[in-house]
Amino acid sequence: GDSVTQMEGPVTLSEEAFLTINCTYTATGYPSLFWYVQYPGEGLQLLLKATKADDKGSNKGFEATYRKETTSFHLEKGSVQVSDSAVYFCALKYNQGGKLIFGQGTELSVKP
Amino acid sequence: KAGVTQTPRYLIKTRGQQVTLSCSPISGHRSVSWYQQTPGQGLQFLFEYFSETQRNKGNFPGRFSGRQFSNSRSEMNVSTLELGDSALYLCASSLAVVPYEQYFGPGTRLTVT
Repeated sequence: GDSVTQMEGPVTLSEEAFLTINCTYTATGYPSLFWYVQYPGEGLQLLLKATKADDKGSNKGFEATYRKETTSFHLEKGSVQVSDSAVYFCALKYNQGGKLIFGQGTELSVKP
Repeated sequence: KAGVTQTPRYLIKTRGQQVTLSCSPISGHRSVSWYQQTPGQGLQFLFEYFSETQRNKGNFPGRFSGRQFSNSRSEMNVSTLELGDSALYLCASSLAVVPYEQYFGPGTRLTVT
């Protein structure tokens, strides 16, 4: 079946460091891919999306490219801030249904 | 535009009781999905409603049910609560257009004692 695998956390970085959170997926079709972020005590916020191969999603300095050949959608940011500390979820969804399939989440902690 | 709202935010119930959670989607969104989040199982899809009809269903027992009203508001019900039902229940709404990106509410934290 379809699934999403993320790198395990927690990831601890110093402020202004480069961030990469790995995400790979297994899919029987051609899903859209998403990154969501969850701050403590809150719901999920959509961070960025990509709907087809080679699309790059970007938002608030975060980027991810839909790589069909490597079935990956790695999240990157050039310079993290303390305010980026949160849990990040990679997910896939097929257009015809409402079911998001999530990875297990990666906790990011950024120290000043 | 107001976001997705969920009520109540926190709930404590006793094993064997039933509970109803409510979700109001973003104005204009006709699809509402529900997810359960637990430390052990992560985020799992419960069901999706569109135009008052259940369109997709996850792999949960029949104790979990839902419905959607004509104004797109949705409720989910859990009967005969078990300790393992303690979780954050998240509701998400979306427009009925590709790629159907979902916007989440803050969740209802259910604790079963």
